[in-house]
Order: sequence, then structure tokens, then C-alpha cells
Amino acid sequence: AQSVAQPEDQVNVAEGNPLTVKCTYSVSGNPYLFWYVQYPNRGLQFLLKYITGDNLVKGSYGFEAEFNKSQTSFHLKKPSALVSDSALYFCAVRPYNTDKLIFGTGTRLQVFP
Amino acid sequence: DGGITQSPKYLFRKEGQNVTLSCEQNLNHDAMYWYRQDPGQGLRLIYYSQIVNDFQKGDIAEGYSVSREKKESFPLTVTSAQKNPTAFYLCASSIEGGETYTDTQYFGPGTRLTVL
Repeated sequence: AQSVAQPEDQVNVAEGNPLTVKCTYSVSGNPYLFWYVQYPNRGLQFLLKYITGDNLVKGSYGFEAEFNKSQTSFHLKKPSALVSDSALYFCAVRPYNTDKLIFGTGTRLQVFP
Repeated sequence: DGGITQSPKYLFRKEGQNVTLSCEQNLNHDAMYWYRQDPGQGLRLIYYSQIVNDFQKGDIAEGYSVSREKKESFPLTVTSAQKNPTAFYLCASSIEGGETYTDTQYFGPGTRLTVL
């Protein structure tokens, strides 16, 4: 079955330190990959996506993600975390030539001052 | 959230009642989607529509119904047949449906439905 896994329910990081939120996927063919962020009681905000080309994708608010085909991963990263980055992060994948997004279960990022 | 509005923000329903959640977009997007969000389960697709007057069931369509009479509107009705309707409901849209699979979906602010 096609799926997305976010292995960590919560990630804690100190402000100013680098952060990584992990995502792995299992789909057939070449996937399209997305990251979204959700603040409490709000909708999802788009951060970045990988379609093709350079494996390192840069997005909003200083976030970036690296597509690794051999490890089937698309980890979200930021060099220096801010307290305001604290939120729920979702990875999503659209299998090639399908019109449905498959979402991971989300990772709560907590950045401490 | 800009460009996609959902109303109401909070909705309370008695068991056995049907309720309709509104979703409107002014982005001129062709495709619209409804998702349900439960704690620890991510988002699950209820229905989607790639064009006016056409829609398809998602993964958890039972107990829900939709219509797409206008491009900018995609209301969701939660019927009394839905066994566990308490959840956060999110509407999304993307530029094109069909074969443009690289499109980004943009989300509304959500409606929190509680069954009393």
C-alpha cells in the first residue's frame, strides 16, 4: 500500500539550533512530495514541494527539504530554529499520475527558548 | 489561508441532524477537496471535485455528501449516517484537477464540528 511515515510524534529543539523533521514514503513510481505546517486551530500552510530536478528544495520561512530517492525520504530542515516555528508539520506525497495526496500523521515541533 | 473561506469556524450538532459546511474560494481554482482531520491520524480525503458538476469519493466518503454547482463553492453535508462526525474539517483547492498532478493544494482555515 502507498503510504507516508513520519516516525516522530514530537521533535524538541532549542532556539537557534538546527532542526530536522523526518518523512519517508512508500509509493510506486516517482512521487511528488510536499510539506505543510499547521498552527493551532488553523488550516494547513504550504511550505515547499519537490517535483523534479535539484534534490534540495527551498521553501517558505527558511525551511528546506532534501529528496533522497534511495532512502525514499524527504526530511524537512532548518538551519536555525525559532520559537515561532513551533507547530504541527505534515509531509504528504502524491504518487505519480494520481490526483490524491497521502498525508503522514504529523510531527509536532516544539522549539524552546 | 488566503482565498479560501470556510464557515462556520465552530459547529455543534445534535445526533441525528444533518449539517452543511461551507467552502468558498476566490482563487479561480478548478479542483476542490474536503479532508477530515482527527488527532494522530493526519488528514483523510472525503470527497474531491476536479471540475464543476463532477465529484469523486475519497477514502472515507460514507456518511458525507457534496455538490459542486459553482466553481467557487464546494459545500460538504455531514449526514446522520456518519457514525463519528466530531472532527476538524478542512477544505482545499488547487489550480487544476485532472492530469496536473504537480499542483499545490491550498487550505482553508477549517471548521470544527462537535456532535453533542
